[in-house]
Amino acid sequence: DTAVSQTPKYLVTQMGNDKSIKCEQNLGHDTMYWYKQDSKKFLKIMFSYNNKELIINETVPNRFSPKSPDKAHLNLHINSLELGDSAVYFCASSQGLGQGAIEQFFGPGTRLTVL
Amino acid sequence: SQQGEEDPQALSIQEGENATMNCSYKTSINNLQWYRQNSGRGLVHLILIRSNEREKHSGRLRVTLDTSKKSSSLLITASRAADTASYFCATGSNDYKLSFGAGTTVTVRA
Repeated sequence: DTAVSQTPKYLVTQMGNDKSIKCEQNLGHDTMYWYKQDSKKFLKIMFSYNNKELIINETVPNRFSPKSPDKAHLNLHINSLELGDSAVYFCASSQGLGQGAIEQFFGPGTRLTVL
Repeated sequence: SQQGEEDPQALSIQEGENATMNCSYKTSINNLQWYRQNSGRGLVHLILIRSNEREKHSGRLRVTLDTSKKSSSLLITASRAADTASYFCATGSNDYKLSFGAGTTVTVRA
């Protein structure tokens, strides 16, 4: 059974569109994250939620809006998509925040291509 | 901001050889973790070493941490084709974030 799942796996869309990526974890974790991995494989944290509360909100354009309906789900909505948004987006989860000293479990990624 | 930087960027070795990659970071940390990413997949946690530890082993993996030099190394012994992947170090500190580098791509030739 998949521990952290994301849908869709691939997303190809036109500039200016609005799209959502969904993430679900069945590990019983209380913390979830969104990361962006660029073409050079550099992985950067975007958001983190702990018990549905926003904990980390990096310098991300406000076109990106995360939503956590419950502890097992963290969705990412992106408005007015731009070419520079093309990347692979990873969801991850962990049990607790632990000042970074916690193993994180990653989903398979969503490859977003903006044309 | 990017904290860990891996070196080398890419490494190609023969099956059975050892692979060593290094990670340098800039600010003080609570711990350092190594992750593996197979092509087209998510990251998988390999090992965590705390700032008060100097060395840790897990199977064929050996990690060292030198906080005075702000550096860590990951050694994979007796490499296998299945070890072909990108390896990332990630540093954890008081801000609840893991900061990743851009990874070392390891290719193990049969």
